[in-house]
Amino acid sequence: EDQVTQSPEALRLQEGESSSLNCSYTVSGLRGLFWYRQDPGKGPEFLFTLYSAGEEKEKERLKATLTKKESFLHITAPKPEDSATYLCAVAIYGQNFVFGPGTRLSVLP
Amino acid sequence: ETGVTQSPTHLIKTRGQQVTLRCSSQSGHNTVSWYQQALGQGPQFIFQYYREEENGRGNFPPRFSGLQFPNYSSELNVNALELDDSALYLCASRYKENTEAFFGQGTRLTVV
Repeated sequence: EDQVTQSPEALRLQEGESSSLNCSYTVSGLRGLFWYRQDPGKGPEFLFTLYSAGEEKEKERLKATLTKKESFLHITAPKPEDSATYLCAVAIYGQNFVFGPGTRLSVLP
Repeated sequence: ETGVTQSPTHLIKTRGQQVTLRCSSQSGHNTVSWYQQALGQGPQFIFQYYREEENGRGNFPPRFSGLQFPNYSSELNVNALELDDSALYLCASRYKENTEAFFGQGTRLTVV
C-alpha cells in the first residue's frame, strides 16, 4: 500500500534554531514529491517539487532534499513567521497526490 | 493571473442534506482535484477532473460526485451528509500531471 509518513508530528524551535523535517514514503512508481506549507484554516501553499534522488531545491530559509525513500525539509535560522504545518505529498502514476499527515512547526521568538 | 478560488468559505448543513461546493481553477489549468482534510490530518484525495471528465477517484463513496465545466471551473456535490463529512474541502488545479498543484483557500463544511 502506498504510504507517506512525516516526523516529527510537532516541533517547537527557538528563533534561529535550525532543524529538519522528515517525509518518508513507500510507493510504487513515484512521479514527484511536493512540499507545501499550510497556515491554520487555509489551503496549502506550494513550496517545492523534487523529481529525482539527489535533487535539492532552496527558497529563503528552506531547503528540500530527496533520496529514494525519504525527503527532508531543512529550516535554517527560522523566524516566528515560519510557524505553520508543513505537508509533503507524493504523485503516483495513475493517481493523484498522497499526502502525509504533516509536521506542525512552532518557532518561538 | 488569478489563483484558485473557492466558494463559499464556510457552510453549516444538517445531517441528511445535500451540499454543492464551487471552485474556479487557476488560469491555464485544465485539471482540477478535490481533497477532504479532517482536522489535524493531511488532505485526502476525493477525485480529479481533466477536460470535463473524471479521470481519478480516491476511496470515497458515490454520494461524493462532481462536475467540471468548459471553463475548467468545478463543483463538488455531497449527498446525504453525515457528521463525519465535516471537514475542510480543498480544490486544487494544475496544468499538467505530476506537476505542482495550486490550492484554493478551502471551504469549511460543518455538518450538525
